[in-house]
Amino acid sequence: AQKVTQAQTEISVVEKEDVTLDCVYETRDTTYYLFWYKQPPSGELVFLIRRNSFDEQNEISGRYSWNFQKSTSSFNFTITASQVVDSAVYFCALRFSGNTPLVFGKGTRLSVIA
Amino acid sequence: DGGITQSPKYLFRKEGQNVTLSCEQNLNHDAMYWYRQDPGQGLRLIYYSQIVNDFQKGDIAEGYSVSREKKESFPLTVTSAQKNPTAFYLCASHRGDRAWDYGYTFGSGTRLTVV
Repeated sequence: AQKVTQAQTEISVVEKEDVTLDCVYETRDTTYYLFWYKQPPSGELVFLIRRNSFDEQNEISGRYSWNFQKSTSSFNFTITASQVVDSAVYFCALRFSGNTPLVFGKGTRLSVIA
Repeated sequence: DGGITQSPKYLFRKEGQNVTLSCEQNLNHDAMYWYRQDPGQGLRLIYYSQIVNDFQKGDIAEGYSVSREKKESFPLTVTSAQKNPTAFYLCASHRGDRAWDYGYTFGSGTRLTVV
């Protein structure tokens, strides 16, 4: 069975601090896709990144970076120099190859305090 | 702009009533999905449809029904059999043509409350 675990339910940081959101997944497939989504208070989920299982390169996009490690089945997300606008619920998700539905973790609520 | 439109944004249901949540997409994708979100529970899959006139149950389909008569539309009915329907409901379809790896784009959601 595939499963996504986000052990951190809530995180609170002061603005400009760095913060890492953890994501651990379980799957027996060799081909799969990992995602991060942001859900601001408005409610709509916003796509942040997709990573294929055969591409372990880490990725950086501005203040956001992602660390994918197949050896530990983790796909962690770091926000550098956090800002109040980063306050949201962040979801990690997993999908097999083929047209199967995404499986989501329970989310991590990040609060950035000015 | 292509996207997912959900309506209404807020919906109130009396005990014993059926209510229908609308989801429309103009992305021209075959697949559509319904998720339910409860505080601390993440997103749980209710139903999904890979093609017109076909749909599959997700993890929590009991008390819900769907139809897929048109490619653009995937309405969700919350029946009186759903014992705890108060939640935030999200509809989704694929982000791009390479549906197998692009993840989803979501609507803005419908917040359903039982009164």
